[in-house]
Amino acid sequence: KAGVTQTPRYLIKTRGQQVTLSCSPISGHRSVSWYQQTPGQGLQFLFEYFSETQRNKGNFPGRFSGRQFSNSRSEMNVSTLELGDSALYLCASSLAGDRDTQYFGPGTRLTVL
Amino acid sequence: GDSVTQMEGPVTLSEEAFLTINCTYTATGYPSLFWYVQYPGEGLQLLLKATKADDKGSNKGFEATYRKETTSFHLEKGSVQVSDSAVYFCALGNAGNMLTFGGGTRLMVKP
Repeated sequence: KAGVTQTPRYLIKTRGQQVTLSCSPISGHRSVSWYQQTPGQGLQFLFEYFSETQRNKGNFPGRFSGRQFSNSRSEMNVSTLELGDSALYLCASSLAGDRDTQYFGPGTRLTVL
Repeated sequence: GDSVTQMEGPVTLSEEAFLTINCTYTATGYPSLFWYVQYPGEGLQLLLKATKADDKGSNKGFEATYRKETTSFHLEKGSVQVSDSAVYFCALGNAGNMLTFGGGTRLMVKP
């Protein structure tokens, strides 16, 4: 079974721009979560989607948003990029009956200049 | 709120040495506990998990036991290899689909 895929793997943007990251979960997984990983803050939860609905949200500003499609694929968007948004963004998927056990993709490395 | 504390690294070992990485947690209720491993330039790989007290998770020679009395989930391996060099993360899930992670422990294994 194919794992979680994320595109693109690398992105370079400038301050003020916006960016969209994509995640395709493992087949059959309906829950998708997003995390931000930085050297200073570690791994921080952004949000979780299940059946196209946001179920849980971490402590991030409104510039960070997401959505989920009917095929469970998810996107996250960051608007008005800041230098501090440079990070590895990780997507994880899980089964509806075992939401805590999450399988991660390879991540998208975002660099904001 | 929930929290996870891991021993700080880096941990440097010689090949075939015994590995212990300490992890303790604070949580309400009955969380599930996980160890993830991250190799350079990659995402997180689920290494093992335990869902209730006294459960032992194991995979690829690594194991960890869910100790509710000491709120711990220490990772152990009897004989490490150079290929085990990576960053290891302890995490807990508390039925909210939001994993809470420790800060990570870098392991370096020398031949």
